[in-house]
Amino acid sequence: DGGITQSPKYLFRKEGQNVTLSCEQNLNHDAMYWYRQDPGQGLRLIYYSQIVNDFQKGDIAEGYSVSREKKESFPLTVTSAQKNPTAFYLCASSAPGFTEAFFGQGTRLTVV
Amino acid sequence: RKEVEQDPGPFNVPEGATVAFNCTYSNSASQSFFWYRQDCRKEPKLLMSVYSSGNEDGRFTAQLNRASQYISLLIRDSKLSDSATYLCAVIPYRSGNTPLVFGKGTRLSVIA
Repeated sequence: DGGITQSPKYLFRKEGQNVTLSCEQNLNHDAMYWYRQDPGQGLRLIYYSQIVNDFQKGDIAEGYSVSREKKESFPLTVTSAQKNPTAFYLCASSAPGFTEAFFGQGTRLTVV
Repeated sequence: RKEVEQDPGPFNVPEGATVAFNCTYSNSASQSFFWYRQDCRKEPKLLMSVYSSGNEDGRFTAQLNRASQYISLLIRDSKLSDSATYLCAVIPYRSGNTPLVFGKGTRLSVIA
């Protein structure tokens, strides 16, 4: 079945550590996105990539980094510079044009 | 003015009721509009796209009003299973693969 897979589902990190969230899609979509959601809040865009080897900052990119070496994969690294990383992280992808985005099941990151 | 705004609710309605949500957007160049449903601690899932001519899917009807820059979602004959948060999403620019901008969501509780 086609879809977007995020792993892990739950992640615990100690303060000061970097951590990488995985996102893989087999929908053959060019565009991929990372959003962050805090309790009771909407989705805020962290980074997005419209094509392999290219990506742009979203509204809240500080403290995060990404790579897009393969069409299928768009990993997100939460660095120690991110001051408040505890959140629900959602990866999405979309086909070309003005189309809807499809989401993975999300990774819930907690800093302990 | 925020780019996409929704009444956060909650809307508490009895089973069988009709309920409507609105979502306003600030960018008149916005191209595509969507409603997503998000269950507690889950990823958003596409409910329906919103076309200029409107869109109906069973008990759900979505409308677009470009002149007043809002979209609406009408749910008829509400079911307990409709309880969720409903997010509106907009592609704000004229180029494709521009990331979706989300509202903060409207929470609906359908009560027996």
